[in-house]
Parts: sequence; structure tokens; C-alpha cells
Amino acid sequence: KQEVTQIPAALSVPEGENLVLNCSFTDSAIYNLQWFRQDPGKGLTSLLLIQSSQREQTSGRLNASLDKSSGRSTLYIAASQPGDSATYLCAVTETSGSRLTFGEGTQLTVNP
Amino acid sequence: DTAVSQTPKYLVTQMGNDKSIKCEQNLGHDTMYWYKQDSKKFLKIMFSYNNKELIINETVPNRFSPKSPDKAHLNLHINSLELGDSAVYFCASSLGTAYEKLFFGSGTQLSVL
Repeated sequence: KQEVTQIPAALSVPEGENLVLNCSFTDSAIYNLQWFRQDPGKGLTSLLLIQSSQREQTSGRLNASLDKSSGRSTLYIAASQPGDSATYLCAVTETSGSRLTFGEGTQLTVNP
Repeated sequence: DTAVSQTPKYLVTQMGNDKSIKCEQNLGHDTMYWYKQDSKKFLKIMFSYNNKELIINETVPNRFSPKSPDKAHLNLHINSLELGDSAVYFCASSLGTAYEKLFFGSGTQLSVL
């Protein structure tokens, strides 16, 4: 059974810092990995999707990497801003394409 | 236009009642999902439909019955509500079955008293 773990559970940083959020998964037979953002009282917004054959994806100040063999992914946020404050979740899709397993998320607070 | 919309946003009801949550997507996607987010914020899939056909049915009490009248709609009906059903329920959609980029609704916060 796939298990997804995110470390740290919560993170508080001053504005402008570069930061890294970590995600690990137990079964490396994945189809893809997605990073999502969830704002309080809102749904999830997909930030980046990395296919199993890819090593990284970039969107603006966000960069996500994937090391499938070691079961790890990182989300790098450059020059953090207060508007980045949210919960960030990673989720992996099994190779069958029919199961998406979420981590419990990292709650990020960026202080002005 | 909202891509994935679900109603109601809040639902407060008594134990034992039957309630429904509706979801609609205007993205032309083939696959829709229901997720449950518990008090610890952990998201878990409940059901998935592809072109009105059930493809994922996790271990969910049979009091929960999804219905997909067409591929743009996936409703969730819950019978005999229990206290433990209190959670936020999210609808989502994706283009295909292989979990391409997911688009989520804003959630329905269900409180069972």
C-alpha cells in the first residue's frame, strides 16, 4: 500500500527566504507526482505535475524535483512571499493510474 | 466561470438524515472524483467515475452512493448520516483516467450534529 509522507508538517519563514518542502513515498512504481496548494476553506489547486520519466518541473518561482528510485520529491519555493502561505500537498499516482495517494501536507506561513 | 463547482458549500444536519452534495464540471473532462478530507486534513479518495462508469470505489460505507447522470456531473448521496461523516467533501475532475492534472471544487463542509 502506497504511503506518502511530508516533512515538515509546518514551516514558518520570513518573507524573501528560499525554502524546500519534502515528500517521500514508499512505492516507487508511480505514474506521476503532483504538488497542490490548499488555501484555508478552499479547494486544492494543482501547482506542478511531474511524470515518472521526468526529473523536474518549473513554474515561476516553484521548482519540483522527482527522484523516483529513492521515493522522494521536493518543492522549492524561491523568494517566498506572504501570499505563498498555504498548505502544500503532494500526491502520487500509482502506475495503474487509478489511485492517487495524498500526503498530509506542509502548512507554510511566510511572515512579512 | 467556475471550472468545478459543488453545492452546497456548507451543510449542517442531524444524525440519521439523508443529504446530497452536487458537483458539476464545465471543463469537458471524462473523469470525476469524490474525496473526503477529515479533521486532520488528510485527503482520501472515495469514488471515481469515468464517462459515467464507476472505476474506483474505496472502502466506503454503502450509505454513500455516488450518481453520475452524465460525465459533467457527479453527485454524492449520503443516507442515515452519522457523526463520523462530518468532514469536508471535495469533488474533482481530470481529463483522463490516468490522473492527469486534477481540478478541485471548493469543498462542502458537512457537519452532522
